[in-house]
Parts: sequence; structure tokens; C-alpha cells
Amino acid sequence: DAGVIQSPRHEVTEMGQEVTLRCKPISGHDYLFWYRQTMMRGLELLIYFNNNVPIDDSGMPEDRFSAKMPNASFSTLKIQPSEPRDSAVYFCANRKGDTGELFFGEGSRLTVL
Amino acid sequence: AQTVTQSQPEMSVQEAETVTLSCTYDTSENNYYLFWYKQPPSRQMILVIRQEAYKQQNATENRFSVNFQKAAKSFSLKISDSQLGDTAMYFCAFMIYTGANSKLTFGKGITLSVRP
Repeated sequence: DAGVIQSPRHEVTEMGQEVTLRCKPISGHDYLFWYRQTMMRGLELLIYFNNNVPIDDSGMPEDRFSAKMPNASFSTLKIQPSEPRDSAVYFCANRKGDTGELFFGEGSRLTVL
Repeated sequence: AQTVTQSQPEMSVQEAETVTLSCTYDTSENNYYLFWYKQPPSRQMILVIRQEAYKQQNATENRFSVNFQKAAKSFSLKISDSQLGDTAMYFCAFMIYTGANSKLTFGKGITLSVRP
């Protein structure tokens, strides 16, 4: 298995633009998590899904952020409109079962100018 | 709410020596899991070691071992025979087992540098 695949690896955009980050999870891993990492706040859980259903989105900072998981093979995290303070590394992670190991993607580094 | 504290922002160790990274957590729960994750410069997070709270025996994975003190709510990571490839950020993480709502809470991380 190729592991968790995220795209793009890097994105630079201007304030106000829409940003879409993508994640292809590991087959058979029923949990999918979106994390954001910044120097100031560390790793923050934004939202997670179980079997494609959102379980907890309490970490989503604002209505500008939205996440979807239309099927077991794909998830997106969208920011619209983007702001400079959204600049961070966004990680997608998968887990199999309730207590399995969390597998991370390589992250998407977002810079909003 | 559960919290994870890593009070040391940075540490440095000579190659081949031993280093211990500290972590404390706060919870009123009795059934939980603790983890150490490594994030090398490549950015990808990798699981180093995992400990179930109900197990008294400290977990060990090759050169990596933990000192789990449940009463003190302490979970330190010991790296023996440090190697240059151990240079990375290390994150302590905590998870209460609540079935479908089980999720990890991470500490702020510590940057470890291994000197040649």
C-alpha cells in the first residue's frame, strides 16, 4: 500500500482565494483525520470521519473551513476564502479501528500571502 | 479536557549517547493510550512507540523505551545509542479509548538534535 497520499505538497496562494487540499486514505482504514500544524499552536485536530461520516468537527476554526469525504477513497479540506493566518501544514491521517496506529500523510504546506 | 505537556522545547545529544524526552499528561480517565511520534525534516509523522495504560510493563522498541509512571502521569521516552537519523521533532500524544470517539491529543513537541 502506498500509504496516505496528500496533494498538493506545497501551495502558495493569495488572500481571498479558495484552497482545496486532498487526501487519499489507506484502503480499509475506516478513520480519517485532518490536522493542522503551526509553530504557535502545534498539532490541532480539525475534523475526523468514521466510515465517511463526520464524527467531530469541533476543531474546525471557522465557517471558512469545510471538509468532505464523499467515499472511502477520498477526502478534501477546503478553505474559502483563505487568509494569511491559515498558513500552516495540514496533515491527513488514517486509523484502522478504534485503537489502531495513526498513519500520517506527508502533509500539505499552505502559504497564504 | 485532556492535556499533554512537553516542557522542553529543544534538546541536544551526542551521537551514541542516551537521551530522555519528558512528557506529562492530565486526565481523570483510567483507560487510555500514550504514544510517541517522530517528525523528521521530511515532515511525515511516524509512530515510535505506544503504551497502553493498563499495562504495567514499559513498552520497548529496539533503541526506544518508555518510562510510564501512571500515578505521576508521566510518560518519558528514552533513546539509547542515539543516531544522526534520530534528529527530529518528537511528539507525545494521548488518547482516551471511547470507541468511535477515540482521538489523539498531541503535545507541542520537542526538537531533538543529535550531534556527530
